[in-house]
Amino acid sequence: EIVLTQSPATLSLSPGERATLSCRASQSVSSYLAWYQQKPGQAPRLLIYDASNRATGIPARFSGSGSGTDFTLTISSLEPEDFAVYYCQQRSNWPPATFGQGTKLEIK
Amino acid sequence: EVQLVESGGGLVKPGGSLRLSCAASGFTFSSYSMNWVRQAPGKGLEWVSSISSSSSYIYYADSVKGRFTISRDNAKNSLYLQMNSLRAEDTAVYYCARDGDSNTAFDIWGQGTMVTVSS
Repeated sequence: EIVLTQSPATLSLSPGERATLSCRASQSVSSYLAWYQQKPGQAPRLLIYDASNRATGIPARFSGSGSGTDFTLTISSLEPEDFAVYYCQQRSNWPPATFGQGTKLEIK
Repeated sequence: EVQLVESGGGLVKPGGSLRLSCAASGFTFSSYSMNWVRQAPGKGLEWVSSISSSSSYIYYADSVKGRFTISRDNAKNSLYLQMNSLRAEDTAVYYCARDGDSNTAFDIWGQGTMVTVSS
């Protein structure tokens, strides 16, 4: 099973700042990595698939990069609605599909 | 509007059974693989099971293999999860989720249905 490790666990930033979230895989997942955003009481929302492709309707301030074992989600300039929990997920070598433990992005 | 709506959650005793349903609308359900993903209270996301568009391929997480059964009815645009021999650790919000076109991510999610296993 591929283990995804996200860092940091919590990121405290202010609106307008740049956010950089990391996801590291225990073995190569090629480019088959996705990022999701989840707000309290809501279902997850797909942001990025295949490492760098924005999902439908996702603002351009969200970008993804990486391949192999190291991936990054960047939010170029934080909006108030971006404060949430972010998960990475792989389906390169599955089953099982696996998720990271999440990064909580909170307002500083 | 593309939509997934889960139902069937509730309170059940350990060892009991429950059947979850997911009603799909706004897209050609029969063309997509579908999934169940769960989230225990205050915890992260856990993939549970997947089923291909024609039910030819079915996969389960080890934690539910032999106890849960995924199925679908393309004529009714519906996905199901039959859960037997439920345990306290199965307590979670259960989401149904659609495979995206790349088949590497879940692009549409339902709002979730809560399953509580407790005596």
